[in-house]
Amino acid sequence: QQPVQSPQAVILREGEDAVINCSSSKALYSVHWYRQKHGEAPVFLMILLKGGEQKGHEKISASFNEKKQQSSLYLTASQLSYSGTYFCGTEYRGLTGGGNKLTFGTGTQLKVEL
Amino acid sequence: KAGVTQTPRYLIKTRGQQVTLSCSPISGHRSVSWYQQTPGQGLQFLFEYFSETQRNKGNFPGRFSGRQFSNSRSEMNVSTLELGDSALYLCASSGAGTVQETQYFGPGTRLLVL
Repeated sequence: QQPVQSPQAVILREGEDAVINCSSSKALYSVHWYRQKHGEAPVFLMILLKGGEQKGHEKISASFNEKKQQSSLYLTASQLSYSGTYFCGTEYRGLTGGGNKLTFGTGTQLKVEL
Repeated sequence: KAGVTQTPRYLIKTRGQQVTLSCSPISGHRSVSWYQQTPGQGLQFLFEYFSETQRNKGNFPGRFSGRQFSNSRSEMNVSTLELGDSALYLCASSGAGTVQETQYFGPGTRLLVL
């Protein structure tokens, strides 16, 4: 099942904060966050593994709540360059054969305006 | 280090034809995954190859196939093209393809089926 992202779209003024959520109905093993600008490839932001950890990347950070099967991406003091579509990619427990098989959410379109 | 490269970048085909797309991973990476991206379905996993073997497969019909060569380069083939196959096809590479690893995406091949 595809993870559910919310909100679907958000418009921010430069300097404002935003939170993007990624929820799964299945037990998660890891969550990968990507940002994609129009016409470009998805760019990796961060990976979170099980354990409720939080990671940071400049003014972008994320948390992973294994019990709730949810991850949240936090964007603080947004900049124009943050505009794009944010995707969470999830890997589930019990994956046979090892390896990668990311199931992506439907994406959250974020636009930062002056 | 050079990034993931995909060729061709754009392709126009007609229904019933077949197409082959190519992906060269980052040097040293052995895992290559393929994804289909459409406005309606988002990013969907096609398959993953590791050491010339298909390790994971998504829910796509048998018309979609792939292979990986000894130098880790991968090709994806779609036979008997349908209008619904129009999409951006992305490949991503990682070192060993474990859940903790980042997947680096290529720029994609945009396929239009007429």
